[in-house]
Amino acid sequence: KAGVTQTPRYLIKTRGQQVTLSCSPISGHRSVSWYQQTPGQGLQFLFEYFSETQRNKGNFPGRFSGRQFSNSRSEMNVSTLELGDSALYLCASSPEGGTYEQYFGPGTRLTVT
Amino acid sequence: KNQVEQSPQSLIILEGKNCTLQCNYTVSPFSNLRWYKQDTGRGPVSLTIMTFSENTKSNGRYTATLDADTKQSSLHITASQLSDSASYICVVSRSGSARQLTFGSGTQLTVLP
Repeated sequence: KAGVTQTPRYLIKTRGQQVTLSCSPISGHRSVSWYQQTPGQGLQFLFEYFSETQRNKGNFPGRFSGRQFSNSRSEMNVSTLELGDSALYLCASSPEGGTYEQYFGPGTRLTVT
Repeated sequence: KNQVEQSPQSLIILEGKNCTLQCNYTVSPFSNLRWYKQDTGRGPVSLTIMTFSENTKSNGRYTATLDADTKQSSLHITASQLSDSASYICVVSRSGSARQLTFGSGTQLTVLP
């Protein structure tokens, strides 16, 4: 089975722009979670999608949004980028979410200048 | 407050030596505890998952222990290899969804030849 894939792997954007990141989960997995990882804050939960519905949301501003498609692929959007949004964005998929094992993708490295 | 604290923050050992990483948590209620290995610039990879009733779980040269009474876990690495150089992250799940995962800040392990 192919693993979790994320595109693009690297991205450089300018402050004020918006960005869309994509995540394709492992085939058959219906839950996709997104995380932001920075050296200072570690891994922080953004949101979780299950069967096209946002099931949970972390403590991030409304500039961060996401969605999930019928094939379980998910996208994350960040509008009005700020310098502090520079981070590694990871997505993880699992069959049902929650206590089930999560499989992480390689991440998208976003740099905001 | 639900917290996961890992120690040491960083560790340098020589190839072939053993080492032990610590994880203390205050997360409640407890569902399971996971150890992940994360290579630089990559997504975390699961090493072990332990539920309340499990005291020890091994994955090759990695052995995790859990004491649910004292809320402590350790990850023991035997006969370290250069490829073990990575960040090791302890994650505790309360229950249900990814929203309930609490991440430690990780231990950065460096194995020198």
